[in-house]
Amino acid sequence: QKEVEQNSGPLSVPEGAIASLNCTYSDRGSQSFFWYRQYSGKSPELIMFIYSNGDKEDGRFTAQLNKASQYVSLLIRDSQPSDSATYLCAVTGDSTLTFGKGTMLLVSP
Amino acid sequence: DVKVTQSSRYLVKRTGEKVFLECVQDMDHENMFWYRQDPGLGLRLIYFSYDVKMKEKGDIPEGYSVSREKKERFSLILESASTNQTSMYLCASSPTPGSSYEQYFGPGTRLTVT
Repeated sequence: QKEVEQNSGPLSVPEGAIASLNCTYSDRGSQSFFWYRQYSGKSPELIMFIYSNGDKEDGRFTAQLNKASQYVSLLIRDSQPSDSATYLCAVTGDSTLTFGKGTMLLVSP
Repeated sequence: DVKVTQSSRYLVKRTGEKVFLECVQDMDHENMFWYRQDPGLGLRLIYFSYDVKMKEKGDIPEGYSVSREKKERFSLILESASTNQTSMYLCASSPTPGSSYEQYFGPGTRLTVT
């Protein structure tokens, strides 16, 4: 059974701070990693994906991947109240995505 | 932009009814997926399809079936709805043939079975 683990949170950060969201996965053969943002009552929205070890930056978001340690993280710089949402980590296995249960992020003004 | 639409945002059905949930994507994506999402359980894959008339079981297919007669449309069918199928149902599509990369989700259907 492939597993993707996330701390459920909530992770509370003040506006302007860096939010760090972490995810570990069990399948060493996983190749691709995704971060989705889900606002309350809405569907998940893809915000980042990363395939190679290291960092990938897109605006205020940075995804970090370490395949040897089997973890992937998402950093949100200059956090805004509008970033308050649940962040889902997803990992490809053989032919499907396995999702973590998500970390709730709360950014206070 | 990718657009995935689902036929209803909210649906209330009675136990034993046959329920159809429709999903349409307008980006010519090969792959389509049906999930349900429940508090504390996260997103769970019900069925997926990598081609027209093709379907594969996901992690929780029991009590569900699917149909994909056209590339853009993927239907989820609850043969005889039960209260434990009350959930948020999410459809997704992805472009890469034969894989589940980069899935894009529809708005979801919140189904209540009474």
